Amino acid sequence: AQSVTQPDIHITVSEGASLELRCNYSYGATPYLFWYVQSPGQGLQLLLKYFSGDTLVQGIKGFEAEFKRSQSSFNLRKPSVHWSDAAEYFCAVAGNYGQNFVFGPGTRLSVLP
Amino acid sequence: EPEVTQTPSHQVTQMGQEVILRCVPISNHLYFYWYRQILGQKVEFLVSFYNNEISEKSEIFDDQFSVERPDGSNFTLKIRSTKLEDSAMYFCASRGRGTGHTGELFFGEGSRLTVL
Repeated sequence: AQSVTQPDIHITVSEGASLELRCNYSYGATPYLFWYVQSPGQGLQLLLKYFSGDTLVQGIKGFEAEFKRSQSSFNLRKPSVHWSDAAEYFCAVAGNYGQNFVFGPGTRLSVLP
Repeated sequence: EPEVTQTPSHQVTQMGQEVILRCVPISNHLYFYWYRQILGQKVEFLVSFYNNEISEKSEIFDDQFSVERPDGSNFTLKIRSTKLEDSAMYFCASRGRGTGHTGELFFGEGSRLTVL
């Protein structure tokens, strides 16, 4: 069964600084990979996804993520963080066409003014 | 843009009462899911539903839980006799299949359940 780890429980960055959130997965075949964001008290919004093709994917709100098969990673990046980016970020992995969708434990992002 | 809608947004109930959470998935989607998130914790899979039957369920989804698709649009989660530890945010999700669908789950805004 697939699994996802997000090594950082909580990250704090200053506004304007760059950001990288780590995600590692375990899956026997080529995975479908996702990043979701959850603002306090809100639902889950899809930031970006990877299922084939270019390993660097662009998402909404200026986020991007890179799939590295050799490292089983799908790290999320943003060059300049805004205060409104403070939220919980969840990495997720699924099999073909979204089967067996599993979330990681999440990373909470705090942004300092 | 089509979306998954959930009702109620917040429900408060007494321990031992039955609760039904409702979801309207995206209309051409075929797979339906319930997830749970206890406050401050990870999002946990409860159950998936396809072709009018449960396709997979987690160990959380015990006999107190049931799901149903009573008509062509609604997808419900019933908790038969609520416990304090059922207090959580419950998310419904759906996904499509085939050409044009890329495997992502579309989530509703969630239903917050508070058991007193």
